[in-house]
Amino acid sequence: QKEVEQNSGPLSVPEGAIASLNCTYSDRGSQSFFWYRQYSGKSPELIMSIYSNGDKEDGRFTAQLNKASQYVSLLIRDSQPSDSATYLCAVVVGDYKLSFGAGTTVTVRA
Amino acid sequence: DAGVIQSPRHEVTEMGQEVTLRCKPISGHNSLFWYRQTMMRGLELLIYFNNNVPIDDSGMPEDRFSAKMPNASFSTLKIQPSEPRDSAVYFCASSSSRGLNQPQHFGDGTRLSIL
Repeated sequence: QKEVEQNSGPLSVPEGAIASLNCTYSDRGSQSFFWYRQYSGKSPELIMSIYSNGDKEDGRFTAQLNKASQYVSLLIRDSQPSDSATYLCAVVVGDYKLSFGAGTTVTVRA
Repeated sequence: DAGVIQSPRHEVTEMGQEVTLRCKPISGHNSLFWYRQTMMRGLELLIYFNNNVPIDDSGMPEDRFSAKMPNASFSTLKIQPSEPRDSAVYFCASSSSRGLNQPQHFGDGTRLSIL
């Protein structure tokens, strides 16, 4: 079983719609969760962090965490063409190891 | 503030040559990570340093790979001899703690091609 699994893409959404990205993790003891955005040919860029159950909102982004279900999600509201990228779910496993999902590629259609 | 700085940005070399990748972490960060990213395997952790000491090198693929961190502001990843299957993007990342609750910040990466 992979440590972090993301819903397979690619995900194509029209401009202005909501993009929903999902992630599950295997280590029940994990406490820290991150979403990174990676544009083609660029490095991963941190966009959200979440540590407690529930929702966390930052601008057009909302992260949701459910530790009982071992599930993390990212919602992108009012999607823009500039949101077209690969989104990586990352989970801290143990004391320091950041385990990444394979990523979900999002394309926002103008 | 300056982010994580990596050099070179691109490296093309022939099989068998020695390759040295360099990284300067964000000032004040005491944790440094080297990753490799490929289409097939995604992002893989190669080695983790805390306070300049290697803590976990279990991701280093084989003895051809070595990493050092002689001081808090500099780290190298060396491949000797290089092979075509080492072609990938290598990222360095740093964080301000052992990683718990603190996100890692990535450099721009080194795109390595071994011919």
